[in-house]
Amino acid sequence: AQSVTQLDSHVSVSEGTPVLLRCNYSSSYSPSLFWYVQHPNKGLQLLLKYTSAATLVKGINGFEAEFKKSETSFHLTKPSAHMSDAAEYFCVVIVFSSNTGKLIFGQGTTLQVKP
Amino acid sequence: DAGVTQSPTHLIKTRGQQVTLRCSPKSGHDTVSWYQQALGQGPQFIFQYYEEEERQRGNFPDRFSGHQFPNYSSELNVNALLLGDSALYLCASSFGSGYTFGSGTRLTVV
Repeated sequence: AQSVTQLDSHVSVSEGTPVLLRCNYSSSYSPSLFWYVQHPNKGLQLLLKYTSAATLVKGINGFEAEFKKSETSFHLTKPSAHMSDAAEYFCVVIVFSSNTGKLIFGQGTTLQVKP
Repeated sequence: DAGVTQSPTHLIKTRGQQVTLRCSPKSGHDTVSWYQQALGQGPQFIFQYYEEEERQRGNFPDRFSGHQFPNYSSELNVNALLLGDSALYLCASSFGSGYTFGSGTRLTVV
């Protein structure tokens, strides 16, 4: 069964330092993977998606993720954290059945950014 | 171009009551999915509607039902509410693999 595991429930960084949010996936076929961000009391916003094209995916707000098949990982990075990056981040995989897809979410990683 | 619109934004219900949540998809999207997000958890897939039919269903009891209308909008109905149904309910519309989420309906069952 397809699934994603977010390896850290909470990550704390200082403003201006790099961000690394880790995600491992399990899939019997080449997966489509996403990273979403959720700010408090807000809906989910797509940061980036991987769909079997380039393994390094660039997203919005300076985020990027690298798909590594050998490590079954899809970690999210940003060179320099900003206070506005503080939020909940979800790694997501699409599971297809009967030609329709459903999103399977990880448990989420809370990113704290300290001044 | 409006995104996904959900109503109401907040709702308080009593155990045993029934509730209906509504979702208007993004323009051009023909598929609607519903997710339940309990506090501190990732969203869990409830079901998906396409061409007015339920196409996929997650691990939720029959108390959870839905409907999709010809204009692609959708409703989520929950009967016999339990305290554990308290959550943020998210609607996502899609066309192909592009998903857009609404801001959700916060349901509190007391």
